[in-house]
Amino acid sequence: DAGVIQSPRHEVTEMGQEVTLRCKPISGHDYLFWYRQTMMRGLELLIYFNNNVPIDDSGMPEDRFSAKMPNASFSTLKIQPSEPRDSAVYFCASSSGGTINGAGELFFGEGSRLTVL
Amino acid sequence: QKEVEQNSGPLSVPEGAIASLNCTYSDRGSQSFFWYRQYSGKSPELIMSIYSNGDKEDGRFTAQLNKASQYVSLLIRDSQPSDSATYLCAGGPGQAGTALIFGKGTTLSVSS
Repeated sequence: DAGVIQSPRHEVTEMGQEVTLRCKPISGHDYLFWYRQTMMRGLELLIYFNNNVPIDDSGMPEDRFSAKMPNASFSTLKIQPSEPRDSAVYFCASSSGGTINGAGELFFGEGSRLTVL
Repeated sequence: QKEVEQNSGPLSVPEGAIASLNCTYSDRGSQSFFWYRQYSGKSPELIMSIYSNGDKEDGRFTAQLNKASQYVSLLIRDSQPSDSATYLCAGGPGQAGTALIFGKGTTLSVSS
């Protein structure tokens, strides 16, 4: 299996521009997670989906952030308009929810490093 | 607010020594715990999971869980320079259908 695939790997943009990050989860996984990682705040959960349905978006910092999962093999995280404080590494992860508590082992993509100037 | 706390380090140990990494969590309902390793510039990868009180061993790694004290630890025996990385502790959900909460990680440096 190819693993979780994210694109782009690096994105440099100017403040105010729209940014779209993409993720293809591992085939057969029914959970998809978007995390953001910074030195100051560590790895923060933004939103997660189960069977393409958003379950918890309480970690989405502002209305400027939105996420969609139109089908089982694709998800997007959009930031519009972007700001310098959005600079971070954004990770997508998927899991099969196989543990007794549903989250299971997370398989992470390689991340998208976003720099907003 | 559910939190997972770790000392940020860095934790420095000589090659061959035992490295001890610790983690506490606030959610008493958490049932599953994970240790992820993250090399610089890479994504986190799972190295250990533990669900029951006590010890779980896998090669040079031992995870320990004490639910009464809300404490999780990871021991790395015979530490190698290749173990140098950031170790993230994650607390599992207290109910099905919720996500992992990660600590900020402890940076381990193993010197040869």
